[in-house]
Amino acid sequence: EDKVVQSPLSLVVHEGDTVTLNCSYEVTNFRSLLWYKQEKKAPTFLFMLTSSGIEKKSGRLSSILDKKELFSILNITATQTGDSAVYLCAVLQRTSGSRLTFGEGTQLTVNP
Amino acid sequence: GAVVSQHPSRVICKSGTSVKIECRSLDFQATTMFWYRQFPKKSLMLMATSNEGSKATYEQGVEKDKFLINHASLTLSTLTVTSAHPEDSSFYICSVPLHGNEQFFGPGTRLTVL
Repeated sequence: EDKVVQSPLSLVVHEGDTVTLNCSYEVTNFRSLLWYKQEKKAPTFLFMLTSSGIEKKSGRLSSILDKKELFSILNITATQTGDSAVYLCAVLQRTSGSRLTFGEGTQLTVNP
Repeated sequence: GAVVSQHPSRVICKSGTSVKIECRSLDFQATTMFWYRQFPKKSLMLMATSNEGSKATYEQGVEKDKFLINHASLTLSTLTVTSAHPEDSSFYICSVPLHGNEQFFGPGTRLTVL
């Protein structure tokens, strides 16, 4: 059975801290891994990773994929209260069309 | 990216009634749209794939007669929750895949069944 596992499930930090969120997967015909940020409503797209070892960056956020070890990390440096959200990891498979399999998410809370 | 809207954003209904939720792709023609549901503090669970011009594909365990999906056009898919019950209360989100890769999500519809 295909599965995507995220850890930790929840995390509480202080502003300015750096956090690392983990996502491991066991799926057939892996194509890409995607990270989303979800606040009150719908998820917003952060990154899509297809190749191993290539870091993607957007401001204080960065992410990298390891296809040999089947995991990805999402780093957030100098966290701000606005980073508080649920971060979702999802996997796209070659044989599933555009269907995504989501992990349970990591609830990040950044306190002032 | 694609802009996706949903209507209504929130609905409260009595048990036994049917509720229709619309998902529109505002700037992109979508032959496929996805419907998810999300319970509090849980992740998104794919319910079905809406296909323009053909029947929807439902995930295992999702009742197709209860959750009716109609992909009326390249920009509109509707999800109708028939004879809704309190256990159907959830957050329903649609998404539109762009070029077969990343998906863009609608703002979601919160359904509360009394």
